[in-house]
Amino acid sequence: GQSLEQPSEVTAVEGAIVQINCTYQTSGFYGLSWYQQHDGGAPTFLSYNALDGLEETGRFSSFLSRSDSYGYLLLQELQMKDSASYFCAVILSYNQGGKLIFGQGTELSVKP
Amino acid sequence: EAGVTQFPSHSVIEKGQTVTLRCDPISGHDNLYWYRRVMGKEIKFLLHFVKESKQDESGMPNNRFLAERTGGTYSTLKVQPAELEDSGVYFCASSLGSSYNSPLHFGNGTRLTVT
Repeated sequence: GQSLEQPSEVTAVEGAIVQINCTYQTSGFYGLSWYQQHDGGAPTFLSYNALDGLEETGRFSSFLSRSDSYGYLLLQELQMKDSASYFCAVILSYNQGGKLIFGQGTELSVKP
Repeated sequence: EAGVTQFPSHSVIEKGQTVTLRCDPISGHDNLYWYRRVMGKEIKFLLHFVKESKQDESGMPNNRFLAERTGGTYSTLKVQPAELEDSGVYFCASSLGSSYNSPLHFGNGTRLTVT
């Protein structure tokens, strides 16, 4: 089967940098995605790593290491509005249905 | 463009009753997914439609759950009869292409409470 693990909660202060880690176990996948969810609303797409390495999108960066079965989301210059839940998700290979399998989410609290 | 819309936003029903959730995907999105999140756990996959066909329904919990997508447009998810453990937030998502080359666009979810 597949499983993803990420911390349940992370707290940081405004202006700081925070890293949310995600470790996974899966037999085959296309890539690792990150989604953000505010107040239980619609999860929204943040980033996608198909290849190993760092992908940068503004204040957010995401990293993938297939050899270590590990990825992370890096949020820089934290703002109060970044308080939300963050989910990592693996995109399974075609022969496993090609679907997204999500982790349990990390609740990020940004303090002033 | 209009996003993914789900109806109702909330539903409270008694055990044994029937509930039907509706999802309208983004226009032109052939791929439609149902997910469920129970009590702060992971967002769990239920099933995947490509147009009107069920591509993958491996996540459906049991035969009390029935999903349809007639005509390849909107989709419904019916729970009959509902049980207490069915409570949770049901999310619908759509994508233009397959999940490995197109991000999923989620709706706001339907919060189902079974009492």
